[in-house]
Amino acid sequence: GAGVSQSPSNKVTEKGKDVELRCDPISGHTALYWYRQSLGQGLEFLIYFQGNSAPDKSGLPSDRFSAERTGGSVSTLTIQRTQQEDSAVYLCASIPPEDRAWNTEAFFGQGTRLTVV
Amino acid sequence: SQQGEEDPQALSIQEGENATMNCSYKTSINNLQWYRQNSGRGLVHLILIRSNEREKHSGRLRVTLDTSKKSSSLLITASRAADTASYFCAPRGRTDSWGKLQFGAGTQVVVTP
Repeated sequence: GAGVSQSPSNKVTEKGKDVELRCDPISGHTALYWYRQSLGQGLEFLIYFQGNSAPDKSGLPSDRFSAERTGGSVSTLTIQRTQQEDSAVYLCASIPPEDRAWNTEAFFGQGTRLTVV
Repeated sequence: SQQGEEDPQALSIQEGENATMNCSYKTSINNLQWYRQNSGRGLVHLILIRSNEREKHSGRLRVTLDTSKKSSSLLITASRAADTASYFCAPRGRTDSWGKLQFGAGTQVVVTP
């Protein structure tokens, strides 16, 4: 596809269940970000993959959250034992290869709206 | 890494009026980017201004950058109902070796007909 694709668009899950959210970045993009956005709030950085380097996981809120990026392309964000406060929109963005001045825009998917009941 | 802080948090204007919002940041940057978000979904890139630029235009958008004050402003001229959205700035800094992209809380703009 031409853009960043996220699936599912919406996910309703019961408290305590595990969920997996998927992000297909634009082909050739080396950087991939996950963000979380609670209702009416800004974007909370979660994790950042850059090429083959170790990911920056500094934004993951707890050890229930993990993410991987296979083959430098598709990424999966996993939330284990979901809780009601995990309800939010989860956004993925990818960025083409950049120079050292970071003069490149990010391309966002439409997000996954997660509701934990 | 750093994130910008947008001001005001919310802005309500009528169609045809101009809307101005500001972004402040803390450390030196290579560039600053502005994004728009409609209806709580994906962000769309609007404009990128480099640290050696002072002003940039794109259609009805005008962005200024004052590196001495560590601030930027986004002006939307002749606003339309379709400009109703949240606007975010993202400074990308020299101090962050990876240029991690982070966002503030945004400015929520409502344009009424």
